[in-house]
Amino acid sequence: AQSVTQLGSHVSVSEGALVLLRCNYSSSVPPYLFWYVQYPNQGLQLLLKYTTGATLVKGINGFEAEFKKSETSFHLTKPSAHMSDAAEYFCAVSPTGNQFYFGTGTSLTVIP
Amino acid sequence: GAVVSQHPSWVICKSGTSVKIECRSLDFQATTMFWYRQFPKQSLMLMATSNEGSKATYEQGVEKDKFLINHASLTLSTLTVTSAHPEDSSFYICSALRQGNEQFFGPGTRLTVL
Repeated sequence: AQSVTQLGSHVSVSEGALVLLRCNYSSSVPPYLFWYVQYPNQGLQLLLKYTTGATLVKGINGFEAEFKKSETSFHLTKPSAHMSDAAEYFCAVSPTGNQFYFGTGTSLTVIP
Repeated sequence: GAVVSQHPSWVICKSGTSVKIECRSLDFQATTMFWYRQFPKQSLMLMATSNEGSKATYEQGVEKDKFLINHASLTLSTLTVTSAHPEDSSFYICSALRQGNEQFFGPGTRLTVL
């Protein structure tokens, strides 16, 4: 069975500070990994994804994530937070690239 | 990027009535679409996988007779909540799988059952 754990349902950072959102997964096979962002009352927008190849993945809006197989982690980072980054972030795993399973989400607050 | 639409964006209905939600891929064909349910401040829960021309595959614990899914064409999947009750109130999000296993999400439909 697939599962995704996002440590910290709420994260607050100051504007300009490092953003680190944690994601760990369990999967019987190396999965595809995704980070999505959701703004209030909207659908999900893909930030970045890992399928194969380079383990450090760069996405939109300055975000990046690193796939660490030994730690079964796929943490999301951004060097400098902007006010516009305040949103809900979801990590997702897909064993086959077809069905997706989401973590519980992390709400990011950016403090001016 | 690819666009997926949902209609309606918000629906309010009386308890006992049925509600149909449409999910359309506007600029690509999707043989597979997914339906998710999201409660306030919670994650998306995969309800079912909708395949064009065949029966949907439901996740464990999701009542197939309650949540009817029809994937009638390569650009349209519908979710019908039958005999809706207040506990069915939720945010329903669909997604469509484009060739290359890229998933695009709709904007969601908020269902409120009175």
